[in-house]
Parts: sequence; structure tokens; C-alpha cells
Amino acid sequence: DAGVTQSPTHLIKTRGQQVTLRCSPISGHKSVSWYQQVLGQGPQFIFQYYEKEERGRGNFPDRFSARQFPNYSSELNVNALLLGDSALYLCASSSAYEQYFGPGTRLTVT
Amino acid sequence: EDKVVQSPLSLVVHEGDTVTLNCSYEVTNFRSLLWYKQEKKAPTFLFMLTSSGIEKKSGRLSSILDKKELFSILNITATQTGDSAVYLCAVPNTSGTYKYIFGTGTRLKVLA
Repeated sequence: DAGVTQSPTHLIKTRGQQVTLRCSPISGHKSVSWYQQVLGQGPQFIFQYYEKEERGRGNFPDRFSARQFPNYSSELNVNALLLGDSALYLCASSSAYEQYFGPGTRLTVT
Repeated sequence: EDKVVQSPLSLVVHEGDTVTLNCSYEVTNFRSLLWYKQEKKAPTFLFMLTSSGIEKKSGRLSSILDKKELFSILNITATQTGDSAVYLCAVPNTSGTYKYIFGTGTRLKVLA
């Protein structure tokens, strides 16, 4: 079975631009979460979606938004990029409190 | 405020040594604790613990949870250079947002 997939793998953007990251969960998982991980820290929770509804949101500005589609895949959008948004963005799908991560998208903002 | 604290922050050992990594937590409505290994990219799932005192084991790795004292340990015996990684502990906060709270991780380096 395929695990969690994310695209793209790497991305370089300039300040002020907008970016969309994509995630497909493990087959059968209805919940997708997004995390931001900066170097030297653990992942920080951004959003969780379950059955296309937002179930949780972390302490991130409104420039961050997400949605989940009927096939349970998800997109994370970040507007007006700042240098501080440079990080590894992780998507995770979960079932009954076990959570599995995708390979991540490395975003660099210059 | 919910939090997960891991110790030590970093550790350097030689191949063959045994290491113990610690994770303490304060989370509303505790249900489970998860351990992950992170090398270059995404964390890979190691264990999920829900019950006190029951050891979970996978090869040279084992983990146990103490719900009374609010901590978990991850043991790695006969360490190998391939065990070098950051080990993360996470606890889901299930009161409303279902967010997973991560510790900052323990960076383990195993020398040949």
C-alpha cells in the first residue's frame, strides 16, 4: 500500500509570493494534518482536517489556509511568504491516534 | 498549557552502547504517546503507547509508558551507526483540536 505522498519535494519562492503544497493520505485514512518543522525543532501543528472539515488549527497567521477534498487529499496554501516560512512542511494521515508522515516538502523563501 | 519535554537534547555514544531517551508530558485528556525516528526527512513511526507498564518492542528498540508519573522512555540496545537520528516524542491533545504536540527531540549520534 502506498504511504502518505506529498508534492512537490522541494520548492524555492521569493518573499511575497504564494505557495500551494499537496498531500495524499494513506488509503482509508480520513484525517490529514499539516505541520511546519524548522531546523532543530519538533514539528509544529498547523491544521487538521477530518472528513473535509477543519478540526483544529495551530497558532499560525491567517496567511496559512488549507482544505481537504472528497478523496481526502489536502492542500496547504501560504500567502505573502516571509523568510521565516522557510521550513519542512509535513503532512500526516492518521487513523485511531496512529499518525504517519509523508516525506515532506522543503520550502525555501528567498 | 499542554507540553512535551524530551531529554537529553543530544547524546553521543559508541556502537554497542545502550541508550535511554526520556519523554515527559502534560496533556489534557491523554490517550496515547507516539515515538518517531527522524533522519533526513519525515519522521518514521516507531511505537504508540496507550497503557502503563506494557513494554512495546521492535528489535533492539523498546519503549514503556508510565501514566502515573507522566513519562515514557525509549531504549535502544547494542546501538549501531544507523541508529543516528533525531528521536521525537508526540502526544495527541484530544480535547477539541486533536493536534499532536511534539517535543523538540533527542539528537542521537552513534560513533563507529
